[in-house]
Amino acid sequence: GAGVSQSPSNKVTEKGKDVELRCDPISGHTALYWYRQSLGQGLEFLIYFQGNSAPDKSGLPSDRFSAERTGGSVSTLTIQRTQQEDSAVYLCASSLVGKNYEQYFGPGTRLTVT
Amino acid sequence: GNSVTQMEGPVTLSEEAFLTINCTYTATGYPSLFWYVQYPGEGLQLLLKATKADDKGSNKGFEATYRKETTSFHLEKGSVQVSDSAVYFCALSRETSGSRLTFGEGTQLTVNP
Repeated sequence: GAGVSQSPSNKVTEKGKDVELRCDPISGHTALYWYRQSLGQGLEFLIYFQGNSAPDKSGLPSDRFSAERTGGSVSTLTIQRTQQEDSAVYLCASSLVGKNYEQYFGPGTRLTVT
Repeated sequence: GNSVTQMEGPVTLSEEAFLTINCTYTATGYPSLFWYVQYPGEGLQLLLKATKADDKGSNKGFEATYRKETTSFHLEKGSVQVSDSAVYFCALSRETSGSRLTFGEGTQLTVNP
């Protein structure tokens, strides 16, 4: 079956511009997560959705970052006024709800801010 | 808070050598423990998991045992292959944290023929 998909796969943007990253989770997965993978910081949690609600936004690094999820499915991560330190691979994962369930990861969006 | 510490890499081995990648964790309660692998040019995928103390996770010849007394989840393989070259991440998950994953730093493994 279809896995987690993310778009775009690569995004190059100028400093100060806004960007939107999209995630399509596996059908039926109520939980959706955004992580960031960067050279200096490793793999960091950003935000967690259960259905359309985000009970844990504690990993968002600043108020320039926001995310939403609609219809219990697609999620969009928005970064406003991008900075060079936002350059990273942004990963989306989905799972059934519960700590024992595997999270399935998408291929990621590589964001480069010039 | 929760944290995961992995042995520092990179690790370079010859084919058929024995592999150990150390992983220790800090967490309250009873986390679930995972090893994820990232092959070159590919996304993160689950290698194995253990959900309670003394459980052993295994897959593709890799094994790890959940040791609560030493708060460890070391990854082992008896005979590595060139195709095992990848980055390996140890991670934990707790229900009270929304089951989000807390990852270790990752260990780059290179296996030479």
